[in-house]
Formats: sequence, C-alpha cells, structure tokens
Amino acid sequence: NAGVMQNPRHLVRRRGQEARLRCSPMKGHSHVYWYRQLPEEGLKFMVYLQKENIIDESGMPKERFSAEFPKEGPSILRIQQVVRGDSAAYFCASSASGGTYEQYFGPGTRLTVT
Amino acid sequence: SQQGEEDPQALSIQEGENATMNCSYKTSINNLQWYRQNSGRGLVHLILIRSNEREKHSGRLRVTLDTSKKSSSLLITASRAADTASYFCATARGDDKIIFGKGTRLHILP
Repeated sequence: NAGVMQNPRHLVRRRGQEARLRCSPMKGHSHVYWYRQLPEEGLKFMVYLQKENIIDESGMPKERFSAEFPKEGPSILRIQQVVRGDSAAYFCASSASGGTYEQYFGPGTRLTVT
Repeated sequence: SQQGEEDPQALSIQEGENATMNCSYKTSINNLQWYRQNSGRGLVHLILIRSNEREKHSGRLRVTLDTSKKSSSLLITASRAADTASYFCATARGDDKIIFGKGTRLHILP
C-alpha cells in the first residue's frame, strides 16, 4: 500500500524557468493539499484540491502559481518563471475525507532556483 | 496568519527523560493534530484530538487539549534518540484545511 509519492525529490531551475511538481495521493484518497516550507519554518498551506476541482487556493500566490488534480494522473503544482524566493520544500498531502482529518504526507520536492 | 504556536521553539533533553511541548491557538477548532518531521522528510501524523476530548494516548505519546485556554500539550515519555525531530501542531477549523505552527525542534541527547 504505497504512500503519497512526490517527484522529483530535488529540482533545480534557473530563474525564469518553469517548475512542475507532481504528487500521487495514497490509494483511495481523493483530497490533495500542497504546502510550502521554508527552512526552520512550519508548513504554509497553498491549495486544497479534489479530483478536477480546486476547493481552496487561498494560500497560493496570485501570479505564476497554479495547481491541478485531473481525473486521471497525479496532482501537479506548476510554478512559472521561477524566482529565487520560490526556493523551498514543497509537500503534498492526501486524505480520504475532507480537510479536517489526518493527512498523509509525501517526502517533498526540494526546489532550488539558481 | 499562523493559527498554532508551539512552545518552546527548541528543546534538548537527555535520553530517557520526558519531553513536553505546548501549542496555543487563537480561534475555535474542530480538532487539533500533532505531526512529527524528521530532518529532510515529510510529516508523519502522530495523533488527533477532537475539540470535545481532553486527553488522548498513543504509545509513549500523551496529548491534552484545553479549549478554554486554547492550548494543547504533547508529552513524549521515556524519550529515545529516534524521537529527535521537529514536532508541529496543526489546528482544523470548519474550513476544510488545517493550519500548522512553526514547530518545536526536539533534540534527544545520548
């Protein structure tokens, strides 16, 4: 029973490039969350999705960031025209029910923008 | 805005001792959860306590919740080297997301 999977684990991008982060939730989970973590900080909520729907994107920057969770395939967090300030660890979590239940986290993608 | 605030920010104790971490929050909640994060890894869910519960146990973990003081504590008894990690509280309100605090970094000394 595989857990939440994220890839890549490490991603290096130059300023101005695009970053695509993928997340496959646990089997049977239809709720996906994306978080960003800066060094020595807690996790900052970005977006909450269910299959084909964005439920809450209140933590997403208005520009350059987008997320999707298609009917088939993984959830994708896309960052266009990356800047140095986007360097962080991005974690995906999934849950079986709505957002107030325990969430299961992936290992994260560490994005470095050079 | 940050909902949960853990205290202390960092804690070092001898192996075998008990470790206590506290979390305070601001608004009413549906439940409060504690997570552990080992260095460079994702978070692992430890325990969930609902707003109508006062205490919960899981192995060497004991969590208390005082809704009148808007605070929770996590006690780890008989600490081990493997307990070295960051511990986060996360509060769930009614809006389908949970909000994490900045965490307590726990270091168990041999």
